[in-house]
Amino acid sequence: QKEVEQDPGPLSVPEGAIVSLNCTYSNSAFQYFMWYRQYSRKGPELLMYTYSSGNKEDGRFTAQVDKSSKYISLFIRDSQPSDSATYLCAFAYSGAGSYQLTFGKGTKLSVIP
Amino acid sequence: GAGVSQSPSNKVTEKGKDVELRCDPISGHTALYWYRQSLGQGLEFLIYFQGNSAPDKSGLPSDRFSAERTGGSVSTLTIQRTQQEDSAVYLCASSINRAGYEQYFGPGTRLTVT
Repeated sequence: QKEVEQDPGPLSVPEGAIVSLNCTYSNSAFQYFMWYRQYSRKGPELLMYTYSSGNKEDGRFTAQVDKSSKYISLFIRDSQPSDSATYLCAFAYSGAGSYQLTFGKGTKLSVIP
Repeated sequence: GAGVSQSPSNKVTEKGKDVELRCDPISGHTALYWYRQSLGQGLEFLIYFQGNSAPDKSGLPSDRFSAERTGGSVSTLTIQRTQQEDSAVYLCASSINRAGYEQYFGPGTRLTVT
């Protein structure tokens, strides 16, 4: 079983749609749950992070974590063409001071005007 | 303020040559990470530096890879005797130690080994 599973897509939605992106994980040691956005030929950009089960909202973005099911989601409301990017889930735990991130392989999202 | 910077942005090298990739972290960030992003493997951790502590080299794929961090700031990743499978985007990230999960990435160096 892979440590992190993320559907690579591609996912294509019309502008204004609600987008749901998901990852599952198997490592119970993960303490922090992140979502990164990566535009083509750019570095990943941290969108949101959380460390507890439940929802965290930031503008049009909502991150959801269910530790019991080892499942995390990112919801994007009122999606815009500028949201077109690859979305990476990432996980971390504090091991000997290092917070090395374990990434999903990314879901490529296209928002069509 | 300024983000993480990396140079060069692109590097094409011949198989067997050595390359050096540079990373300038965000000022005040004590933790620095190197990752590699390739088509088949996604983003993989390579090495971690924190202050003057010994680096965590557990992600380096072979002894051809090494990295150093001078003065707790700039870092250089060196790949000796490059192979075609080293072709990838090499990304650097930095963070404040107490929030090490909040890592901020540079734009990456795209390495192509011919």
